[in-house]
Amino acid sequence: EVQLVESGGGLVQPGGSLRLSCAASGFTFSTYWMSWVRQAPGKGLEWVANIKEDGSQRYYVDSVEGRFTISRDNAKNSLFLQMNNLRDEDTAVYYCTKERQRSLDYWGQGTLVTVSS
Amino acid sequence: DIQMTQSPSSLSASIGDRVTITCRASQSISNSLNWYQQKPGKAPKPLIYAASSLQSGAPSRFSGSGSGTDFTLTISSLQPEDFATYYCQHTYSSPPWTFGQGTRVEIK
Repeated sequence: EVQLVESGGGLVQPGGSLRLSCAASGFTFSTYWMSWVRQAPGKGLEWVANIKEDGSQRYYVDSVEGRFTISRDNAKNSLFLQMNNLRDEDTAVYYCTKERQRSLDYWGQGTLVTVSS
Repeated sequence: DIQMTQSPSSLSASIGDRVTITCRASQSISNSLNWYQQKPGKAPKPLIYAASSLQSGAPSRFSGSGSGTDFTLTISSLQPEDFATYYCQHTYSSPPWTFGQGTRVEIK
């Protein structure tokens, strides 16, 4: 059974940093692209970033480019999102997702990030 | 970036109704279009990928169609568990891969 379990969310002040983690199990992690998707309170879904199987390619939405870094550790079946210089508008539930055939076929339960002073 | 526009933003329907939701891309995206269902407080669930292919585990009453810029999600006979918000997402070419704003399906 595929499982994606996010952790690392919490309350952080504007300008602060946070590192999200996603523990993957139930599939061969090293053979799939992975993505982060977020959802601000009461709002729609926003694709944030993704990373190739071997980490050699990464893409970001414009609003986080230069502030967020997606990475992975295939030996530990883990996906990460390093978030720096956080802004109020980064407040959201962040979902770890697995990609297959250019769709997001499995989602974690999400971790809440709140940016507030 | 490619923009995705869903219509309607919300709709009311009865059990057993046929429901159609549309999604329009700001440029041609071939068949690179996915549909997701989300219930309050839960993670989204995948329904359709590549415009018309049913995701494993998704009920057969859900179907998708379209190519280019115009796409449709159809629920053939609305069930109580289908009341939720539905999102389209393009995955054409290189990211960013944007979502539509969502369509909320409510009980009439």
